[in-house]
Amino acid sequence: TQLLEQSPQFLSIQEGENLTVYCNSSSVFSSLQWYRQEPGEGPVLLVTVVTGGEVKKLKRLTFQFGDARKDSSLHITAAQPGDTGLYLCAGVRDMRFGAGTRLTVKP
Amino acid sequence: DAGVIQSPRHEVTEMGQEVTLRCKPISGHDYLFWYRQTMMRGLELLIYFNNNVPIDDSGMPEDRFSAKMPNASFSTLKIQPSEPRDSAVYFCASSYALGDDYGYTFGSGTRLTVV
Repeated sequence: TQLLEQSPQFLSIQEGENLTVYCNSSSVFSSLQWYRQEPGEGPVLLVTVVTGGEVKKLKRLTFQFGDARKDSSLHITAAQPGDTGLYLCAGVRDMRFGAGTRLTVKP
Repeated sequence: DAGVIQSPRHEVTEMGQEVTLRCKPISGHDYLFWYRQTMMRGLELLIYFNNNVPIDDSGMPEDRFSAKMPNASFSTLKIQPSEPRDSAVYFCASSYALGDDYGYTFGSGTRLTVV
């Protein structure tokens, strides 16, 4: 089982600020997925990163997969209260999730 | 598509009672997963099925837990007897396949409280 460590565990910011959260492992992943989970709901897939060094953008969200495919980051530009939630990374083949980063964006 | 449907949404039961959680995956999805989520342990994979066959149940905590998938449109997770430490949110998810192009679609979960 490949362990995924996410940091920070908690993050509270003001609307309009930028932020970056991280997903790290000592193992190489063939691909990683990022999910967002809102209170009372299941996680929802945001993106899959496959190639080392890959960068994907989803509106104000930018996802990067490390060159060695052991780490990934999620950068949010100009955060909004609607971005509040638990952000989870998961190994696609492993089907296991990191503990997540709980983001709160205050208006 | 109605998505992955789980029932009940909330369940409160007394210690020692049997609990059955239900899941209807998305039609056409060949993989079904059961996860448990707690603040302490995060999202844990309990078991997954491929074409109704259990593939990996190494995450099932102990013999009190069992899961079945009698057909492609229905799965159950049973806890017997239940204990207070089983209190958690249980999620069912389904996927068309395992691979880079496919993500898991989760249900809304069942919040289980064992008192």
